[in-house]
Amino acid sequence: GIQVEQSPPDLILQEGANSTLRCNFSDSVNNLQWFHQNPWGQLINLFYIPSGTKQNGRLSATTVATERYSLLYISSSQTTDSGVYFCAVLTTDSWGKFQFGAGTQVVVTP
Amino acid sequence: SQTIHQWPATLVQPVGSPLSLECTVEGTSNPNLYWYRQAAGRGLQLLFYSVGIGQISSEVPQNLSASRPQDRQFILSSKKLLLSDSGFYLCAWSIALNTEAFFGQGTRLTVV
Repeated sequence: GIQVEQSPPDLILQEGANSTLRCNFSDSVNNLQWFHQNPWGQLINLFYIPSGTKQNGRLSATTVATERYSLLYISSSQTTDSGVYFCAVLTTDSWGKFQFGAGTQVVVTP
Repeated sequence: SQTIHQWPATLVQPVGSPLSLECTVEGTSNPNLYWYRQAAGRGLQLLFYSVGIGQISSEVPQNLSASRPQDRQFILSSKKLLLSDSGFYLCAWSIALNTEAFFGQGTRLTVV
C-alpha cells in the first residue's frame, strides 16, 4: 500500500513564527487532505488539496502531485495552532479508505 | 449543511463488558462511513468502512464489529471488551469515493 511520511515529527515554535510541514507519499493520489487535531482530539479539516495551492487565512497548502509531496505553511503562528497536523491520502484503488501519515506535533509557545 | 454526530464523548468500561458506539450523519444521503481508531501516540488506523446499508468491510481482524442499520447510522460494537481496545475512536463520512472526508468529535474509550 501507499506510504505516507510526514516531517518533522515534532515542531516547537515561538508565537509569530512561520513554519512548513511536509507530507511525502509513495504513489499517485486522487485525494489529499490536511487535518489539525486539536487538544480535545477533534480532527478539523484544513485543506482538501489533491493538487495545486490553496490559502485560508494564515494557513496555505501546496500539493505537487507529480513529485508526490504536499506542504502546509503556517504563518504568524498562534498558540491556538498547537496540536497535531495530519496528512491523509487516497489512491485510485483505495476505495475511499484514507492512509494517514504519523502526524507532526506542533507546540506554539507564547 | 452536513453534520456528523458521535457519542458518547468519553467512556470507561470494564474488561469483558459490551460496547456500542454510535455515529450518525445529517444532511446527506448514502454517505460512505468509516470507523478509525487512534491508539496512544498519533497513528489513525481504519477499522471498518461502509458504502451502503448492510455493507461493511473490515480492515483488520479484531475484537470489534460494525453495523449500518440505517443509511446514515454507523455503529461500532464489541461483545467483550479487551484492555487493548482502549483508544480514541473516530467516525467519518464522505459523499463518495475519493472526495473530502469529515470526522466526528470522537469517543475516548478506556477499558479498565
